[in-house]
Amino acid sequence: GQNIDQPTEMTATEGAIVQINCTYQTSGFNGLFWYQQHAGEAPTFLSYNVLDGLEEKGRFSSFLSRSKGYSYLLLKELQMKDSASYLCAVLGSARQLTFGSGTQLTVLP
Amino acid sequence: DADVTQTPRNRITKTGKRIMLECSQTKGHDRMYWYRQDPGLGLQLIYYSFDVKDINKGEISDGYSVSRQAQAKFSLSLESAIPNQTALYFCATSDGVGNEQFFGPGTRLTVL
Repeated sequence: GQNIDQPTEMTATEGAIVQINCTYQTSGFNGLFWYQQHAGEAPTFLSYNVLDGLEEKGRFSSFLSRSKGYSYLLLKELQMKDSASYLCAVLGSARQLTFGSGTQLTVLP
Repeated sequence: DADVTQTPRNRITKTGKRIMLECSQTKGHDRMYWYRQDPGLGLQLIYYSFDVKDINKGEISDGYSVSRQAQAKFSLSLESAIPNQTALYFCATSDGVGNEQFFGPGTRLTVL
């Protein structure tokens, strides 16, 4: 079966750094995605990790440890517009993307 | 123009009615997907198609059916809608298994 865990909610201050964790147990592993979803809108792609290590893209970075079944999304220099839900999703052996329930991030001024 | 479009954007219907949600894409992708999202939850895969002749059930396919009319079109049907199918439905496309999925704007379906 597939199991993906991430915190339900997080709060951080504008300009700060926040780390959103994701742990997973899946049948096979072919990569891990992070998506951002604003309320009532479609998810948009942030990052993809298939090998261990850190991928950096502007203010956002994503880390993967396959041996630990663990990933995190790091957001730097937080802005108000970063308030959104962040979805961790794993591509398993069945060629399907399994999503976590999402972490609702609130950025406070 | 949007690359992935969904119609209708909002729909209210009654229990027992047949409903079709349509998805079209201009990205030229072979792979298309249908997901549903319930409040406060992630996306659950209903059906996916890797080309016109390849259609597969996802984790929650019961009560749903699909049709891939062409590379660019993928429709989701609820043969007899029930209230617990009230949700936000997203269509998505990709051009490879390990590649990002591009999502349509979503269809908000309410079954009374």
